[in-house]
Amino acid sequence: AQTVTQSQPEMSVQEAETVTLSCTYDTSESDYYLFWYKQPPSRQMILVIRQEAYKQQNATENRFSVNFQKAAKSFSLKISDSQLGDAAMYFCAYRSAIYSGGGADGLTFGKGTHLIIQP
Amino acid sequence: KAGVTQTPRYLIKTRGQQVTLSCSPISGHRSVSWYQQTPGQGLQFLFEYFSETQRNKGNFPGRFSGRQFSNSRSEMNVSTLELGDSALYLCASSLITSGVDTQYFGPGTRLTVL
Repeated sequence: AQTVTQSQPEMSVQEAETVTLSCTYDTSESDYYLFWYKQPPSRQMILVIRQEAYKQQNATENRFSVNFQKAAKSFSLKISDSQLGDAAMYFCAYRSAIYSGGGADGLTFGKGTHLIIQP
Repeated sequence: KAGVTQTPRYLIKTRGQQVTLSCSPISGHRSVSWYQQTPGQGLQFLFEYFSETQRNKGNFPGRFSGRQFSNSRSEMNVSTLELGDSALYLCASSLITSGVDTQYFGPGTRLTVL
């Protein structure tokens, strides 16, 4: 079974600065997807960014970018120019690219990192 | 395009009762997954439906069941409710194309079991 670990329960950053959230995962599979989701106080889970494991290029979405290190099984999220609206819980998630049909192949989530933005 | 919708948004039940939650996916999405979120266990996968068939199932007791209709709408049922079933239940839909499968979540149903 895959596991996802987010070692930072809480992070704090000044508005307009850059912050990096860490995520490591454990898998024996070679083909999979990784995601970062954001969950603000409204509890709505919002997709931030997606990375396909077969792609060497790191994904980028505006102020959000990832550092994907496949060999190290690391998938960190960098938020540049932090804004007050970025305050939320951030979840790292893993999903197999191969559907086994017999196992739990939904998203496997980490415990989350609570990001606080200081004005 | 409208997002994933879930009804009801809030629900209060008592132990032993049963409950049915509903999820309408994004138009055109045929896969619907359900997750349970609790402070203690975090986010856990319940099951996934695709074309009215359960494709995958997480490690939950048989009291948790679901189904998907021909219009891709899905329902989740929990029978004989226990206090520990109090949670936020999230539904997610996805459009599986070219092997890329990104799940988009609804706002959730907050279930409280008394």
